[in-house]
Amino acid sequence: GESVGLHLPTLSVQEGDNSIINCAYSNSASDYFIWYKQESGKGPQFIIDIRSNMDKRQGQRVTVLLNKTVKHLSLQIAATQPGDSAVYFCAENFTGKLIFGQGTTLQVKP
Amino acid sequence: DAGITQSPRHKVTETGTPVTLRCHQTENHRYMYWYRQDPGHGLRLIHYSYGVKDTDKGEVSDGYSVSRSKTEDFLLTLESATSSQTSVYFCAIGTAISNTGELFFGEGSRLTVL
Repeated sequence: GESVGLHLPTLSVQEGDNSIINCAYSNSASDYFIWYKQESGKGPQFIIDIRSNMDKRQGQRVTVLLNKTVKHLSLQIAATQPGDSAVYFCAENFTGKLIFGQGTTLQVKP
Repeated sequence: DAGITQSPRHKVTETGTPVTLRCHQTENHRYMYWYRQDPGHGLRLIHYSYGVKDTDKGEVSDGYSVSRSKTEDFLLTLESATSSQTSVYFCAIGTAISNTGELFFGEGSRLTVL
């Protein structure tokens, strides 16, 4: 089964609010994590990554938090915009392969 | 956008027929991957390549074979398609074995096996 675990399948937020998308992983030895965004009909697109020796990394409007103690990863999107509506996947690198979670759909309400 | 082209983008075929999907890259990246995406399963790795003629299996490789005779092309073949192989297939490329850099994905190939 999936080693990167479940999440809330759909998250609905108001435009302008902050969004938090969560992901649990089960492989303690995973050393690298990535968040991808997938818009309808397109391939996944890289958002941000983080290595296991870090607990936080910030990008433009996005922040990834890693809690290795509880094997939890989160993606925070500041001031969510309609263009952020998509499916978001976390992925972990385990033994040299990227393993993806099932994804969370983010819906942004105007 | 990374230079990745998948072909065909859409295909409908019948059970038992052979199917080949092509991934072409213009980035000269060493690593290439084939994933399938199904509802409830996310993206699952089928096969990957770490160089010309160097390939390895992923987590769902049964029923699939791959070939990489040139850096720029990675072919995925279904020798005898089954309905369970109806899916969206994504090719991805990367500069490393995934722990030092991102993967760039193609636009996907939707395969329907009747």
